[in-house]
Amino acid sequence: DIQMTQSPSSLSASVGDRVTITCQASQDIRNYLNWYQQKPGKAPKLLIYVASNLETGVPSRFSGSASGTDFTFTISSLQPEDIATYYCQQCNTLPLTFGGGTKVEIK
Amino acid sequence: QVQLQQSGPGLVKPSQTLSLTCAISGDSVSSNSAAWNWIRQAPSRGLEWLGRTYYRSKWYNDYALSVKSRISINPDTSKNQFSLQLNSVTPEDTAVYYCAREKTGDTRPLDYWGQGTLVTVSS
Repeated sequence: DIQMTQSPSSLSASVGDRVTITCQASQDIRNYLNWYQQKPGKAPKLLIYVASNLETGVPSRFSGSASGTDFTFTISSLQPEDIATYYCQQCNTLPLTFGGGTKVEIK
Repeated sequence: QVQLQQSGPGLVKPSQTLSLTCAISGDSVSSNSAAWNWIRQAPSRGLEWLGRTYYRSKWYNDYALSVKSRISINPDTSKNQFSLQLNSVTPEDTAVYYCAREKTGDTRPLDYWGQGTLVTVSS
């Protein structure tokens, strides 16, 4: 199975801060990497697909990038409604696998 | 707009079978450009993909090795839904279970999810 190592596991930032989350794949996944946002008691919501493509309707402050097997998710200006846990997920190879999540809180 | 509506019991006894259904609106379970997945989330184990079903001239299934001997995912074309059956459950199968659409092709995201069902395995 492809392991997805996500960091940090949690972070605290102020409103307006730039927030960065990283995800490293244990092998080449050809940029088949998605990012999801999950709020308490809700299902994950797709934000970014194929590493850097913004899902329709998702605010432009969210972005993603890739460099080999390293992937970065960025919130350019943290908003109160962005408080959630974020997950990366590879869809290159079965089984589909997820990172361990990053819980984002407001400082 | 695609919507996935889950149903099924929230409490299952150990050794029995967990059964959940995911009703689809806005798409077809027989779509040639989608696959229909089950994923679970337990506090100690994060998000775990369990398996999927999809139609490409015939029906296919893929299952996670961790549950392959106990799982069955089946489409129901008459009701446009798909189901999850997990046999011989133990307390380790306690989790929130989600169904999700996988948009197949060049992008492959899990773009629509059901609301989730908390299933507790307990006597």
